[in-house]
Amino acid sequence: DAKTTQPNSMESNEEEPVHLPCNHSTISGTDYIHWYRQLPSQGPEYVIHGLTSNVNNRMASLAIAEDRKSSTLILHRATLRDAAVYYCILRGFSGNTGKLIFGQGTTLQVKP
Amino acid sequence: EPEVTQTPSHQVTQMGQEVILRCVPISNHLYFYWYRQILGQKVEFLVSFYNNEISEKSEIFDDQFSVERPDGSNFTLKIRSTKLEDSAMYFCASRRGQGLNTEAFFGQGTRLTVV
Repeated sequence: DAKTTQPNSMESNEEEPVHLPCNHSTISGTDYIHWYRQLPSQGPEYVIHGLTSNVNNRMASLAIAEDRKSSTLILHRATLRDAAVYYCILRGFSGNTGKLIFGQGTTLQVKP
Repeated sequence: EPEVTQTPSHQVTQMGQEVILRCVPISNHLYFYWYRQILGQKVEFLVSFYNNEISEKSEIFDDQFSVERPDGSNFTLKIRSTKLEDSAMYFCASRRGQGLNTEAFFGQGTRLTVV
């Protein structure tokens, strides 16, 4: 799977939008961009995924750059419960058994 | 909402003992996984399992580890002779399919402490 780069940590204020960036300059044309998060003392949790177009769901939005070399996870109104480690993961066809390769992710701190 | 269930939530075992971690994946899922997370480190893939056989394993998953789906609902990870360095959170995950646009569902984990 192609490599992703994320900032180690970010801070946000409660009820403000948060933009979490991810760089994936070596992404291939068929790689999907997935985001998971891990709340403290819990298992990872799926957030959203996309291929080329921007995506919205009840948890977040995913903005994908036109060249697909970067993406941004958008939390529209951060709550204290959104404090977690956010992982940007690429999934491609090569050797696909459905496994996920986690990096260090971005630790999001939300201040009241 | 369906969820992946893991038991026990915390297991303490003595070094050299065998331990079995249990998982009940979501009922209509076909692909199953184990991951581990050593304290303060990243989540690491251990093994993927489909159609009653291992489809991929990492170099962490050596001969001390085995997985089994003994019936239609449980998925287990066995560590034959635990070492201190096996202390970690172990997460089970399942998927309906392995397509690139499918999501994985994780359990809450079992914290294994080897003393």
